[in-house]
Formats: sequence, structure tokens, C-alpha cells
Amino acid sequence: EVQLVESGGGLVQPGGSLRLSCAASEFTFSRYAMSWVRQAPGRGLEWVSAISDTGGSAYYADSVKGRFTISRDNSKNTLYLQMNSLRAEDTALYYCARWIQLWSWWYFDYWGQGTLVTVSS
Amino acid sequence: DILMTQSPAILSVSPGERATLSCRASQSVSSNLAWYHHKPGQAPRLLIYGASTRATGIPARFSGSGSGTEFTLTISSLQSEDFAVYYCLQYNIWLMYTFGQGTKLEIK
Repeated sequence: EVQLVESGGGLVQPGGSLRLSCAASEFTFSRYAMSWVRQAPGRGLEWVSAISDTGGSAYYADSVKGRFTISRDNSKNTLYLQMNSLRAEDTALYYCARWIQLWSWWYFDYWGQGTLVTVSS
Repeated sequence: DILMTQSPAILSVSPGERATLSCRASQSVSSNLAWYHHKPGQAPRLLIYGASTRATGIPARFSGSGSGTEFTLTISSLQSEDFAVYYCLQYNIWLMYTFGQGTKLEIK
């Protein structure tokens, strides 16, 4: 079955940086678009960013645009999220998810277990 | 943004009984609605997409219905592994994804 394993979370000070990774297995990673979704403590799920199968197109929520960068290395079956200028409100459990298309619409089918990012001084 | 409202916030049901969860959209999302099952510490699992299509490997006791603004997830006979938090997701507008706040299904 599809496996997605996130890593790289931790405690970081406001204004700091962190890079998350998501290792994919049991499917042909290079054929699928991927995404990041987060859940802040006590709050709902929020889509953060997405990237096409080739990495040629990237998309961001307004809340992270200009601060976060999504990328992927298809030779390593790994998805990344570089997070800069972190704020307290970025504190959340970050999930990677496979992003799939049905007709003209895109949604998330497989998810990882998440990695926790805490932004605090 | 489209607001997704799930009800109830907490649902207490006995094993073997039926559970009915609701999700309402603030404007029409057609049938572009998915349901997820989530237990803390685990990966969310896709149950339903297209409002009523079961995802791969999902048991037949799970069914989804609705279109437009009103959606329902029904679990016909609750098993122990079904007690979890359920989220709906609307994906009708490109990159404007919104999730419901979740319904916690607990053992009565």
C-alpha cells in the first residue's frame, strides 16, 4: 500500500527556518502530484501547498506564499517543504498527501502520519 | 471562501448501530466532496470522493450521499475501528480547499 512518511519537524524560534521531508514508497512517485496540508492545535485542516508531478508547477495558500517553498526530488521519491520566516501561527502538524485528479477536480487520496512543527521562543 | 460545517461535533453511538454524519457547504460544491477517517497519530484515510464513491478498499458499510450544499456520511453497522474523527473536504474550486471542523464519533 502507498506509504508516505514525513520528517523534519521540531521546535524553531519565530523567524527561523525548517525543512520538512516526505518519503514516498509503494507507488510511482514521479507520476503523481503531491501536496502539504497542516492542522494547527485545536483547529481544522488547512491546505498549504501543492506541486505537479514533474515539479514544474507549484501552488501555495496565501497564508504561506513568499515564505514556504515546495519542491521534490523524483530520483529520491521525496517531497520537501522549505519553511522560512516562521510564525507562531505556523505551529501545526504537517501532513504530506498525494494529490490526484478526477476529471477536472483535484483532491487528496493517501496521507502520511504527519510531522509536528512548533514555532515558539 | 466556502465554509464547511459538520454536525454534530460529537456523536455517541453503540457498536453495531448506524451512524449518520452531516456536512453542509456555505455554497454549492456540486459533488466535489470527500470524507476522511482520522485517528490521532495515524494517517487520515480517504473514505468517499465525488460525494458518494467509495475509495479503494473501503468497506461497503460506508456510504456517502448528497450534492450541492448538503452531504451525509452513513456508517451502517459500526465496528470498533470506526470510532474516530471524520472530516469532509470540498474541492470544487481550484486550490480553494476547505475542510469541515470534524465530527468525533465515540463509543456510547
